[in-house]
Amino acid sequence: GNSVTQMEGPVTLSEEAFLTINCTYTATGYPSLFWYVQYPGEGLQLLLKATKADDKGSNKGFEATYRKETTSFHLEKGSVQVSDSAVYFCALLQIQGAQKLVFGQGTRLTINP
Amino acid sequence: DADVTQTPRNRITKTGKRIMLECSQTKGHDRMYWYRQDPGLGLRLIYYSFDVKDINKGEISDGYSVSRQAQAKFSLSLESAIPNQTALYFCATSDPSPIDGTDTQYFGPGTRLTVL
Repeated sequence: GNSVTQMEGPVTLSEEAFLTINCTYTATGYPSLFWYVQYPGEGLQLLLKATKADDKGSNKGFEATYRKETTSFHLEKGSVQVSDSAVYFCALLQIQGAQKLVFGQGTRLTINP
Repeated sequence: DADVTQTPRNRITKTGKRIMLECSQTKGHDRMYWYRQDPGLGLRLIYYSFDVKDINKGEISDGYSVSRQAQAKFSLSLESAIPNQTALYFCATSDPSPIDGTDTQYFGPGTRLTVL
Protein backbone atom coordinates (compact mmCIF):
# COMPACT_ATOMS: atom_id res chain seq x y z
CA GLY A 1 0.00 0.00 0.00
CA ASN A 2 0.92 3.65 -0.21
CA SER A 3 2.93 5.13 2.62
CA VAL A 4 4.92 8.20 3.65
CA THR A 5 7.94 8.18 5.93
CA GLN A 6 9.22 11.35 7.52
CA MET A 7 12.36 12.25 9.37
CA GLU A 8 12.04 11.49 13.05
CA GLY A 9 11.60 14.47 15.29
CA PRO A 10 11.70 16.58 17.22
CA VAL A 11 14.09 18.88 15.40
CA THR A 12 15.57 21.90 17.20
CA LEU A 13 17.53 24.58 15.37
CA SER A 14 18.77 28.08 15.99
CA GLU A 15 17.33 31.04 14.14
CA GLU A 16 18.80 31.53 10.63
CA ALA A 17 19.94 27.90 10.42
CA PHE A 18 19.36 25.79 7.31
CA LEU A 19 16.47 23.36 7.54
CA THR A 20 15.93 20.00 5.89
CA ILE A 21 13.09 17.65 6.81
CA ASN A 22 13.32 14.40 4.90
CA CYS A 23 10.30 12.72 3.36
CA THR A 24 10.19 9.55 1.28
CA TYR A 25 7.20 7.76 -0.09
CA THR A 26 6.02 4.43 -1.46
CA ALA A 27 3.24 4.59 -4.00
CA THR A 28 1.83 3.13 -7.17
CA GLY A 29 2.33 5.50 -10.06
CA TYR A 30 3.17 9.16 -9.56
CA PRO A 31 1.04 10.73 -6.86
CA SER A 32 0.84 14.44 -6.08
CA LEU A 33 2.93 15.36 -3.03
CA PHE A 34 2.22 17.91 -0.31
CA TRP A 35 3.69 19.54 2.76
CA TYR A 36 1.27 20.74 5.39
CA VAL A 37 2.16 22.79 8.48
CA GLN A 38 0.36 22.81 11.84
CA TYR A 39 1.09 25.77 14.09
CA PRO A 40 0.42 25.34 17.82
CA GLY A 41 -3.29 25.09 18.55
CA GLU A 42 -4.30 25.33 14.89
CA GLY A 43 -5.39 23.09 12.05
CA LEU A 44 -3.31 21.99 9.09
CA GLN A 45 -2.42 24.54 6.44
CA LEU A 46 -1.18 23.69 2.99
CA LEU A 47 2.43 24.84 2.74
CA LEU A 48 3.35 23.69 -0.76
CA LYS A 49 2.72 20.98 -3.31
CA ALA A 50 4.12 19.34 -6.45
CA THR A 51 2.11 17.36 -8.92
CA LYS A 52 4.70 15.69 -11.14
CA ALA A 53 8.31 14.59 -11.23
CA ASP A 54 10.93 17.37 -11.03
CA ASP A 55 8.30 19.94 -10.00
CA LYS A 56 9.42 22.28 -7.26
CA GLY A 57 6.84 23.56 -4.80
CA SER A 58 7.65 26.73 -2.88
CA ASN A 59 6.01 29.04 -0.36
CA LYS A 60 7.15 31.33 2.49
CA GLY A 61 10.81 30.54 1.77
CA PHE A 62 10.24 26.77 1.95
CA GLU A 63 10.95 24.54 -1.05
CA ALA A 64 10.56 20.88 -1.94
CA THR A 65 11.36 19.08 -5.19
CA TYR A 66 9.53 15.98 -6.39
CA ARG A 67 12.25 13.38 -7.02
CA LYS A 68 10.86 10.22 -8.56
CA GLU A 69 14.30 8.55 -8.79
CA THR A 70 14.65 8.62 -5.02
CA THR A 71 10.88 8.75 -4.27
CA SER A 72 11.54 11.77 -2.07
CA PHE A 73 10.07 15.21 -1.36
CA HIS A 74 12.39 16.79 1.19
CA LEU A 75 11.42 20.13 2.70
CA GLU A 76 14.11 22.83 2.86
CA LYS A 77 14.46 26.41 4.01
CA GLY A 78 17.62 28.45 3.86
CA SER A 79 17.15 30.53 7.02
CA VAL A 80 14.53 29.58 9.58
CA GLN A 81 12.76 31.94 11.94
CA VAL A 82 11.24 31.44 15.37
CA SER A 83 7.81 31.75 13.73
CA ASP A 84 8.52 28.58 11.70
CA SER A 85 8.18 26.49 14.86
CA ALA A 86 5.39 24.02 14.10
CA VAL A 87 4.68 20.42 13.15
CA TYR A 88 5.27 19.60 9.48
CA PHE A 89 3.47 16.80 7.65
CA CYS A 90 4.42 15.26 4.33
CA ALA A 91 1.57 13.65 2.41
CA LEU A 92 0.80 11.99 -0.90
CA LEU A 93 -2.46 11.96 -2.80
CA GLN A 94 -3.31 8.38 -3.64
CA ILE A 95 -4.28 8.21 -7.29
CA GLN A 96 -5.58 4.67 -7.63
CA GLY A 97 -9.13 4.11 -6.51
CA ALA A 98 -10.55 6.98 -4.49
CA GLN A 99 -8.22 9.96 -4.23
CA LYS A 100 -7.14 10.11 -0.57
CA LEU A 101 -4.32 11.77 1.32
CA VAL A 102 -1.81 9.51 3.05
CA PHE A 103 0.18 11.33 5.75
CA GLY A 104 3.54 10.85 7.32
CA GLN A 105 3.74 10.90 11.11
CA GLY A 106 4.75 14.56 11.34
CA THR A 107 7.97 16.27 12.40
CA ARG A 108 7.96 18.79 15.23
CA LEU A 109 10.29 21.72 14.55
CA THR A 110 11.40 24.17 17.24
CA ILE A 111 13.44 27.24 16.38
CA ASN A 112 15.31 28.96 19.19
CA PRO A 113 16.20 32.65 19.04
CA ASP B 1 -14.36 34.21 8.14
CA ALA B 2 -12.85 30.74 8.07
CA ASP B 3 -13.68 28.63 5.02
CA VAL B 4 -13.91 25.39 7.01
CA THR B 5 -15.37 25.54 10.51
CA GLN B 6 -15.75 22.85 13.14
CA THR B 7 -17.90 22.73 16.24
CA PRO B 8 -17.29 22.25 19.06
CA ARG B 9 -13.57 23.11 19.30
CA ASN B 10 -13.19 21.21 22.54
CA ARG B 11 -15.33 18.53 24.14
CA ILE B 12 -14.98 16.36 27.21
CA THR B 13 -17.38 13.46 27.54
CA LYS B 14 -17.80 10.16 29.35
CA THR B 15 -17.56 6.59 28.12
CA GLY B 16 -20.77 5.41 26.49
CA LYS B 17 -22.08 8.85 25.54
CA ARG B 18 -23.14 9.73 22.00
CA ILE B 19 -21.17 12.59 20.52
CA MET B 20 -21.59 14.53 17.28
CA LEU B 21 -18.90 16.69 15.73
CA GLU B 22 -19.95 19.11 13.01
CA CYS B 23 -18.18 20.55 10.03
CA SER B 24 -19.32 23.34 7.73
CA GLN B 25 -17.60 24.85 4.70
CA THR B 26 -18.12 27.90 2.52
CA LYS B 27 -15.63 26.87 -0.16
CA GLY B 28 -18.29 25.30 -2.37
CA HIS B 29 -16.38 22.01 -2.49
CA ASP B 30 -18.14 18.73 -3.17
CA ARG B 31 -15.65 16.53 -1.33
CA MET B 32 -15.42 16.37 2.45
CA TYR B 33 -13.36 14.26 4.85
CA TRP B 34 -12.99 13.38 8.53
CA TYR B 35 -9.56 12.55 10.01
CA ARG B 36 -8.27 11.87 13.49
CA GLN B 37 -4.83 12.85 14.68
CA ASP B 38 -2.96 10.93 17.36
CA PRO B 39 0.55 11.79 18.59
CA GLY B 40 3.22 10.17 16.43
CA LEU B 41 0.70 8.72 13.96
CA GLY B 42 -0.05 11.62 11.68
CA LEU B 43 -3.61 11.89 10.39
CA ARG B 44 -5.75 8.88 9.59
CA LEU B 45 -8.87 8.95 7.43
CA ILE B 46 -12.15 7.98 9.11
CA TYR B 47 -14.79 8.68 6.44
CA TYR B 48 -15.06 10.68 3.24
CA SER B 49 -17.82 11.90 0.96
CA PHE B 50 -17.45 12.99 -2.65
CA ASP B 51 -20.97 14.39 -2.90
CA VAL B 52 -24.18 14.51 -0.88
CA LYS B 53 -25.21 10.98 -1.85
CA ASP B 54 -21.77 9.44 -1.51
CA ILE B 55 -20.32 8.14 1.78
CA ASN B 56 -17.21 5.97 2.03
CA LYS B 57 -15.29 4.35 4.86
CA GLY B 58 -11.70 5.29 5.43
CA GLU B 59 -9.01 3.26 7.14
CA ILE B 60 -10.37 3.56 10.70
CA SER B 61 -14.18 3.81 10.45
CA ASP B 62 -15.10 1.33 13.22
CA GLY B 63 -16.94 3.06 16.05
CA TYR B 64 -17.83 6.09 13.91
CA SER B 65 -20.64 7.11 11.58
CA VAL B 66 -21.19 10.15 9.38
CA SER B 67 -23.98 12.17 7.83
CA ARG B 68 -23.73 14.47 4.81
CA GLN B 69 -26.69 16.78 5.37
CA ALA B 70 -25.86 19.14 2.51
CA GLN B 71 -22.96 20.01 0.25
CA ALA B 72 -21.66 22.32 2.97
CA LYS B 73 -22.17 20.10 6.03
CA PHE B 74 -20.60 16.83 7.10
CA SER B 75 -21.08 15.47 10.64
CA LEU B 76 -19.16 12.78 12.47
CA SER B 77 -20.82 10.76 15.23
CA LEU B 78 -19.47 8.52 17.92
CA GLU B 79 -22.44 6.36 18.91
CA SER B 80 -20.91 5.16 22.16
CA ALA B 81 -17.67 6.94 22.95
CA ILE B 82 -14.72 5.05 24.40
CA PRO B 83 -11.45 6.40 25.85
CA ASN B 84 -9.28 5.34 22.90
CA GLN B 85 -11.32 7.72 20.73
CA THR B 86 -9.67 10.58 22.58
CA ALA B 87 -7.94 12.49 19.80
CA LEU B 88 -7.86 15.61 17.68
CA TYR B 89 -10.42 15.43 14.87
CA PHE B 90 -10.11 17.33 11.62
CA CYS B 91 -12.55 17.98 8.84
CA ALA B 92 -11.26 18.77 5.34
CA THR B 93 -12.72 19.72 1.95
CA SER B 94 -11.45 19.53 -1.60
CA ASP B 95 -12.33 19.83 -5.26
CA PRO B 96 -10.13 18.72 -8.17
CA SER B 97 -8.34 21.59 -9.86
CA PRO B 98 -9.74 22.38 -13.33
CA ILE B 99 -6.16 23.15 -14.38
CA ASP B 100 -4.22 20.03 -13.42
CA GLY B 101 -6.78 17.82 -11.67
CA THR B 102 -4.90 17.92 -8.37
CA ASP B 103 -7.27 17.45 -5.43
CA THR B 104 -5.84 19.72 -2.71
CA GLN B 105 -7.45 19.36 0.70
CA TYR B 106 -8.15 22.29 3.05
CA PHE B 107 -8.52 21.65 6.75
CA GLY B 108 -10.65 23.03 9.54
CA PRO B 109 -9.18 24.09 12.91
CA GLY B 110 -9.89 20.77 14.60
CA THR B 111 -11.95 19.49 17.52
CA ARG B 112 -10.15 18.19 20.60
CA LEU B 113 -12.21 15.34 22.04
CA THR B 114 -11.51 13.74 25.41
CA VAL B 115 -13.39 10.62 26.47
CA LEU B 116 -13.13 9.84 30.16
